[in-house]
Amino acid sequence: DAKTTQPNSMESNEEEPVHLPCNHSTISGTDYIHWYRQLPSQGPEYVIHGLTSNVNNRMASLAIAEDRKSSTLILHRATLRDAAVYYCILRNGNYGGSQGNLIFGKGTKLSVKP
Amino acid sequence: GAGVSQTPSNKVTEKGKYVELRCDPISGHTALYWYRQSLGQGPEFLIYFQGTGAADDSGLPNDRFFAVRPEGSVSTLKIQRTERGDSAVYLCASSPSLAGGELFFGEGSRLTVL
Repeated sequence: DAKTTQPNSMESNEEEPVHLPCNHSTISGTDYIHWYRQLPSQGPEYVIHGLTSNVNNRMASLAIAEDRKSSTLILHRATLRDAAVYYCILRNGNYGGSQGNLIFGKGTKLSVKP
Repeated sequence: GAGVSQTPSNKVTEKGKYVELRCDPISGHTALYWYRQSLGQGPEFLIYFQGTGAADDSGLPNDRFFAVRPEGSVSTLKIQRTERGDSAVYLCASSPSLAGGELFFGEGSRLTVL
């Protein structure tokens, strides 16, 4: 399975932008980059995903390096409710067989200070 | 609409007992996933279903663990002869299909084996 590397923890101030990095140097051409987050005592929640181009949605933006070996999740204005563990996951685009599941790492624990 | 529902939310049992954990996926979702999460760790993949069949059960730790989805909707995770090391939060997720798209997670069932 392709692996990702994330910092264990990050801190941010409320209402400031947050850039959460993820390295995935062994990414294959058919791997999508997915981000999920997990608030305390809840199940993971989908944030965003992309393949090659940068992506935006109501929750966040995803910036993907040109060589696709790294990506950055951007929260434009952090709120206290954004304090969570953020997981960067590679998911193969060939979803059959053993490739349909998501393999989680330890993620980045984001703390947001008021 | 209703999300993924897991019951029970909490289960305390004694070592050696049999346990069943239930997952009600979002209506119409054909793919269903089971994960377990220990304290401070990311979710660990166990098994996923496409319809009634297990597409990948490679994450089940041993033959004490078994999961079924007889009608392609509700799934039950069964754990025989529970051990203290089985204590964890068991998460269920569903997805419209295996062909990409986000996973929708339930809030999990917390299992404590005394």
